Order: sequence, then structure tokens, then C-alpha cells
Amino acid sequence: GAVVSQHPSRVICKSGTSVKIECRSLDFQATTMFWYRQFPKQSLMLMATSNEGSKATYEQGVEKDKFLINHASLTLSTLTVTSAHPEDSSFYICSASVRGGNQPQHFGDGTRLSIL
Amino acid sequence: AQTVTQSQPEMSVQEAETVTLSCTYDTSESDYYLFWYKQPPSRQMILVIRQEAYKQQNATENRFSVNFQKAAKSFSLKISDSQLGDAAMYFCAYRSATTDSWGKLQFGAGTQVVVTP
Repeated sequence: GAVVSQHPSRVICKSGTSVKIECRSLDFQATTMFWYRQFPKQSLMLMATSNEGSKATYEQGVEKDKFLINHASLTLSTLTVTSAHPEDSSFYICSASVRGGNQPQHFGDGTRLSIL
Repeated sequence: AQTVTQSQPEMSVQEAETVTLSCTYDTSESDYYLFWYKQPPSRQMILVIRQEAYKQQNATENRFSVNFQKAAKSFSLKISDSQLGDAAMYFCAYRSATTDSWGKLQFGAGTQVVVTP
């Protein structure tokens, strides 16, 4: 099946640091990638939709300058949490899909971000 | 905008028994897709089953089956012969079939399934 690789799986860093998370589709070309944030015991909250070669579309309430998304190729999207603070600590998950049809989203294993 | 409601925060089931998770959704669209995802403690999102709205036949995947009632906007998941490995958070998700939606998923709040020996 389709494989999505997300790295790193865990990050612990100091407040003020910028953190980059990578999401790669390993065996298919993803026309669209999605970034989610998940708090403990809660559902996934969509942060932004990223299409290859174009600017990401952010959901309402998500700070574009705080969460920078780049989708430079059909197999790679990155999320950079800029000047991270403790309130940015969370579980971040990416997913990738091929546009059209009933193709499901394929999820990465997530990144647990802890800001001290 | 579409909303997905999972009204059961937690469901408990004994091994080998059957449990049914409820999911309702609100939409004005006629064409869409529905999914059930499983998230075990490892937090990996695993696709359990999917249903196309234009298909009347309910989807099945081994011990997992759905009861899709389009008119009632209901999409329940039945887990038969429950196993300890089925313990996880289960999310119901809706996806529009329109191209401008980019395939975004709308998730429900989730139902925690606890399996007891």
C-alpha cells in the first residue's frame, strides 16, 4: 500500500527555536498533502492543505507566518513551526493523497513536538 | 460546511463480541465518501473501511462492516469477533467528491474502543 514517511517522530527543543517537519510520499506522487494538529484525546484538526507548486491553503485561525508550509515536489511537503513556544507543543500529522476518485488519504506516523 | 458527529466517547466490548460505533453527518451534497480510521496508542492513522455514497451496498473488510443509510445520513461501523488489537480510537470521516474540496477530510470527535478479555 501507499507509504507516507514523516520525520522526525519526536522533537524536544527550547522556546524560540524553529522546527521543520518533513512529509514524504515514498511510492506515489501526492498531488495534495494535508497537515493536521492533534491534542491529547481529541480529533485531528486540519491546519492547511498543500498542493504541489502552489501556496498552501490555511484553515481559519491558523497563523500562516507561524506555520510555514512548503510543497516543493510531488513527494515532499514540509511544515516549519517558526519561533516555537510551549503552546505549540502538540502532535502533528501529515497525510498525502492523489487528487480525484475515492483515493483515501495516507497518513504519516506523526511528530510529537515538545517545546520547553 | 459538513459536520461529522460521533456521539459515543467510549465503547467497551468483550473479546469475541460485537460492537457498533455510530456516526452521523450533515451535508447537502449528493456525492461524497465516508471513511472509518483507527488510531491505536501508537497514534498511527489506519484506514479501516471506506464507502462511496453512490453505492448502496454496504462495504465490508473482514471483521469490519458498515451500515450506510444515506437518507438518514448515518454511517455506523460494526466490529465483529472483537480482538484485543482492535482497542483504539476510531474516527469517522467525510470527504466531499467535489474537486474544489481538494479531498479534505472532516473528522468526527472519535470513539475510544476498549476491548476486555
